[in-house]
Amino acid sequence: SAVISQKPSRDICQRGTSLTIQCQVDSQVTMMFWYRQQPGQSLTLIATANQGSEATYESGFVIDKFPISRPNLTFSTLTVSNMSPEDSSIYLCSVEKEGIYNEQFFGPGTRLTVL
Amino acid sequence: AQSVTQPDIHITVSEGASLELRCNYSYGATPYLFWYVQSPGQGLQLLLKYFSGDTLVQGIKGFEAEFKRSQSSFNLRKPSVHWSDAAEYFCAVIPGGGSNYKLTFGKGTLLTVNP
Repeated sequence: SAVISQKPSRDICQRGTSLTIQCQVDSQVTMMFWYRQQPGQSLTLIATANQGSEATYESGFVIDKFPISRPNLTFSTLTVSNMSPEDSSIYLCSVEKEGIYNEQFFGPGTRLTVL
Repeated sequence: AQSVTQPDIHITVSEGASLELRCNYSYGATPYLFWYVQSPGQGLQLLLKYFSGDTLVQGIKGFEAEFKRSQSSFNLRKPSVHWSDAAEYFCAVIPGGGSNYKLTFGKGTLLTVNP
């Protein structure tokens, strides 16, 4: 498995501001992903964080709104920019480890509330 | 359209009773299939997965699931529910039998356990 931590665990932010969420893994991983879970909803993939290159975004998500960094094989950040109340969600990162393909391990999530 | 369906939004069972959570998928090829559990305030934990082979798979915490190709189903079962099983359960797939690493989630089933 993998031990994944996220910071912050929760935050309350004002409209128009930005928040950067960190995801740290205890070992090197091949793939890192960011998901959004809106209140009462399922998880939706935002993007795949690629090490050393630009993230790959899913339909409906754009880099200007959700810039992602992945400077190395154990760390990634997701920024939620110019926030509105509709961005209130739980944001989760997940990883796929080399040798354990097609199985994702999830972090505890960051609960974001935008006022 | 390709989809993962969990028909039951909310299920309530008594402690000690048996449990079955339903999951149906609509994909051309048999996808990789997963069940995750999300306890309040927690990230997602993988209960079990099916890639191929024996259609009855055993998971953690006493859960099992059966893949039925003819019904495009992957239902989760537990013979005797414990109060600690109260959580939200998500069925998820990787379409295309693993050629695409992207997890697609159902909308989830919230399980309440009565004492």
